[in-house]
Amino acid sequence: AQSVTQLGSHVSVSEGALVLLRCNYSSSVPPYLFWYVQYPNQGLQLLLKYTSAATLVKGINGFEAEFKKSETSFHLTKPSAHMSDAAEYFCAVSFTGTASKLTFGTGTRLQVTL
Amino acid sequence: DAGVTQSPTHLIKTRGQQVTLRCSPISGHKSVSWYQQVLGQGPQFIFQYYEKEERGRGNFPDRFSARQFPNYSSELNVNALLLGDSALYLCASSLPSGTGELFFGEGSRLTVL
Repeated sequence: AQSVTQLGSHVSVSEGALVLLRCNYSSSVPPYLFWYVQYPNQGLQLLLKYTSAATLVKGINGFEAEFKKSETSFHLTKPSAHMSDAAEYFCAVSFTGTASKLTFGTGTRLQVTL
Repeated sequence: DAGVTQSPTHLIKTRGQQVTLRCSPISGHKSVSWYQQVLGQGPQFIFQYYEKEERGRGNFPDRFSARQFPNYSSELNVNALLLGDSALYLCASSLPSGTGELFFGEGSRLTVL
């Protein structure tokens, strides 16, 4: 079965520390992969996407993610966390080759402390 | 340019009632998708419409229906509301190209009592 899993529903980091949010997928075909961020009472905003081009993808706000086929992973990282990064982060996968039908993970809430 | 707009932003209904949610896509976007986000979970795909035709449907009962109008706006209808339908309903629009970005509205928060 095709699925996406986010490890850790809550992640807390200190301001300036490395952010690492984990995402693994299960798919029999090469997927398209996305990371979205959701701030309180807002919709989702695309951070970055992988669509079979470069495996290291750079996104907005200093985030990046690396597609590792052997590990079926697409972890999100940021070298130095900022207070404004506190939000809910969702990994999403398209198994149909279209960005319109996405399967989302359950989300990881990132807390940034002083 | 205006983003994806949804209305109403909040609404309260009782079990058994019907609800209609509305979405206006970004100008030039012809594809509209609907997602349901239950509290504490990720969004779940409900429908995709492109050029007024249903192009995809998620695992939702027939109580859920949608349509797209000639101006590409869309409505999501839910009949015979259940408590479990309480959620944030998100609309997203995109260009027709398959690997493009989904642009989400801020959602309509439905509470069923």
